[in-house]
Amino acid sequence: QKEVEQDPGPLSVPEGAIVSLNCTYSNSAFQYFMWYRQYSRKGPELLMYTYSSGNKEDGRFTAQVDKSSKYISLFIRDSQPSDSATYLCAMSGQGAQKLVFGQGTRLTINP
Amino acid sequence: GAGVSQSPSNKVTEKGKDVELRCDPISGHTALYWYRQSLGQGLEFLIYFQGNSAPDKSGLPSDRFSAERTGGSVSTLTIQRTQQEDSAVYLCASSRNLAGGQETQYFGPGTRLLVL
Repeated sequence: QKEVEQDPGPLSVPEGAIVSLNCTYSNSAFQYFMWYRQYSRKGPELLMYTYSSGNKEDGRFTAQVDKSSKYISLFIRDSQPSDSATYLCAMSGQGAQKLVFGQGTRLTINP
Repeated sequence: GAGVSQSPSNKVTEKGKDVELRCDPISGHTALYWYRQSLGQGLEFLIYFQGNSAPDKSGLPSDRFSAERTGGSVSTLTIQRTQQEDSAVYLCASSRNLAGGQETQYFGPGTRLLVL
């Protein structure tokens, strides 16, 4: 079993919909949680960064971390065609430098 | 400023040949990472450099893989005697390395390696 599980999709939704992306993990030592967005043939870029449990909001994006359930989520409000990309969750432990990634969810927003 | 750059962007090689992949991190970033992204496997950590030292090589899949970093800047990932299963996108990332926390890792565009 992988340390981080993420449904690879693909996920297709209409423009304007609310998108929910999720990851589960097994390593209770993880303290830092990130969401990266990756466009086709590009490197991943950081979208959201959360330390420990809680919520964080940035514009149309909200990240949630529930450490008790080992479950993290990314919500995208008012989704746009430009949001079409692969979304990767990533996490690391205290003092650890390497990131452990989920498989990535391929998202398409249809105009 | 300039981001992380990688070269070549694409590499096609024959099975059994050696390849070298290059990464130029963001200026001033002391930490450098190599990851591999395979179809269906997601991003997998290979090796981490702090300065020119590699305190974590735990992700290198075999002794055919090696990496070095010189001058605290450029890094080279070398794959010897390439195999078809080495075909993947090899991503480099860099970050500052301040005390505590997890610094943001900035990724390059990757090198797409195809082993025939």
